Parts: sequence; structure tokens; C-alpha cells
Amino acid sequence: QKEVEQDPGPLSVPEGAIVSLNCTYSNSAFQYFMWYRQYSRKGPELLMYTYSSGNKEDGRFTAQVDKSSKYISLFIRDSQPSDSATYLCALENSGNTPLVFGKGTRLSVIA
Amino acid sequence: DVKVTQSSRYLVKRTGEKVFLECVQDMDHENMFWYRQDPGLGLRLIYFSYDVKMKEKGDIPEGYSVSREKKERFSLILESASTNQTSMYLCASRTTGLYTFGSGTRLTVV
Repeated sequence: QKEVEQDPGPLSVPEGAIVSLNCTYSNSAFQYFMWYRQYSRKGPELLMYTYSSGNKEDGRFTAQVDKSSKYISLFIRDSQPSDSATYLCALENSGNTPLVFGKGTRLSVIA
Repeated sequence: DVKVTQSSRYLVKRTGEKVFLECVQDMDHENMFWYRQDPGLGLRLIYFSYDVKMKEKGDIPEGYSVSREKKERFSLILESASTNQTSMYLCASRTTGLYTFGSGTRLTVV
């Protein structure tokens, strides 16, 4: 079983839709959970950072972590064409070890 | 804002050439990383470094080496470039769990 599973998509939604992006993981030692956004021909940029289970909201974005189910989500409300990008989940345990990335989900928001 | 700068956006090299990819960060971060990104395979860790002159192998180190002589600079070296090393290469630096990536170098080996 891979450490982190993420559906690669592509996912295509109309402008204004609510988008749900998800990752599952197998290692219960993961404690830090991140979402990165990557536009075409650019490096990933940090979008959301959470520690432990629960929700974190930032504008139109909500990150949700359920450690008991080993499941993390990113919700985008009122999606915009500018949200079209690849979204990568990333997880880290408490030790000084590198991030483990999902493969990324490609999202297109159609105007 | 932390800046991670990769020296080249696009490179074309010939098979067998020795290739140097340079990465510089400006925030005194101790940790630096090299990834490659390929369609369908995601980001894969090549090498990382937790301090000057230290290096650790990642998941796919074969065919690569690294150099970290100064804290701000982390170089990736392809000893003898091959066509299967055609890829997007991404450098990152880290502080307290937060990674900052460079814009990437798209390398084509012909």
C-alpha cells in the first residue's frame, strides 16, 4: 500500500462549484498535513497547513483532517477559473523527515 | 518572503554530459531538498541535506549526486545525463515544517 493516495483526476467543474479534493494515507505517524497548489510550469506553493485533526479555514479554502480515518480533504468554495491548477497533499511526521507528497489532482474550473 | 532560486528554467543537454543544477535560498534555512516531477509519478525525492556538507539519499538517488558547500546553496549533479533523466527538477528549502519551492528547471536530455 502506498503511503499517500491521491486521485490524479483530472477534475473539471463549472465556475462557482464547491470542489472537494482528498488524500488517504497509511502511516499513523503523520502529524502535519499540507496542501500545495501548483500552476502550470511553476513550483508548488503552500496553500494550507494543519496540525492534528479538525478543520482550518482560510477564505474560500477549508482543510479538513480526520486522523482516525487517515483521510484529509481540501474544499474550495465558489471556485474560480484562477483556481485551475494541480493540488498536492503533503504529509510529515514528527521527526525530521522529508515531506511525503500525493501525486496531485489536476483541477480545471470552467468559466 | 523566502526565496528559492533555481538558476535555469529550461536546459537542453546531450546524453553523457555532466549537468549541474543550482539552487540558492535566501533565508538561512538548514534543510534543502531536490525533487523531480514526472506526469503520473508525482514528486519524487532525489536527495536532501539537513546542514552544510551533509547529504542524505532520497527515494531515487541513482544517477545523481549533490553538493552543499554553503548553507544557502544546494547543487544537484547528473554525473552522466541520460534520456530517462528528462524531467522537471524542483528544489525546496524548509523551516519548521514549511517548504518553499523554486520555480523548477525543465531539463531535456537528447
